[in-house]
Amino acid sequence: QSVLTQPPSVSAAPGQKVTISCSGSSSNIGNNYISWYQQLPGTAPKLLIYENSKRPSGIPDRFSGSKSGTSATLGITGLQTGDEADYYCGTWDSSLSAYGFGGGTKLTVL
Amino acid sequence: QVRLQQWGAGLLKPSETLSLTCAVYGGSFSGHYWSWIRQPPGKGLEWIGEINHSGSTNYNPSLESRVTISVGMSKNQFSLKLSSVTAADTAVYYCARQRAMTTVTFFDYWGQGTLVTVSS
Repeated sequence: QSVLTQPPSVSAAPGQKVTISCSGSSSNIGNNYISWYQQLPGTAPKLLIYENSKRPSGIPDRFSGSKSGTSATLGITGLQTGDEADYYCGTWDSSLSAYGFGGGTKLTVL
Repeated sequence: QVRLQQWGAGLLKPSETLSLTCAVYGGSFSGHYWSWIRQPPGKGLEWIGEINHSGSTNYNPSLESRVTISVGMSKNQFSLKLSSVTAADTAVYYCARQRAMTTVTFFDYWGQGTLVTVSS
């Protein structure tokens, strides 16, 4: 059972926008910064967003992140077939004294 | 550019000890935390634990009794040992560089992953 809750799957057409939610509690998202990871099939996860909304160098601005209270959202605009992947949110959980991930959301670009 | 390269045994029998090593190339080994993360086939990510350059560790309470993370003899390496493995420990294991500040924790560089299968 994951510390953070994500929808198992989302889908949208090429060129459209999609959002992926990540829900937690005051012991994790509520008091810590969140990050997002993209995992393409058969590869290691890749950092997409850190500190709620910052993008590492090389990540296009089609990817955005936000946080409100105990929830966070990843947004992807201008969807491309190459965006088909699993997306994970993650943050430190102060109650567990451990880093926790969401269960992952599979994005399908129809 | 930072690069993490990992290796270790890929097939274990139940009750054996899993052993993996991760080497860090480029960037600084000191001043960062280094983590191990695993992913069972078809499932999500699970953080195993972390270590800093001086050997200070923190483990996931769910695995703490069986996990040891240590800095290697070569100062740009760190290792994972997981004892008494069972089929439930079958997973792809990743090493990663962890950026950690007061309320900020994320993983910005990852190893390629090592599939470890536990089977009799």
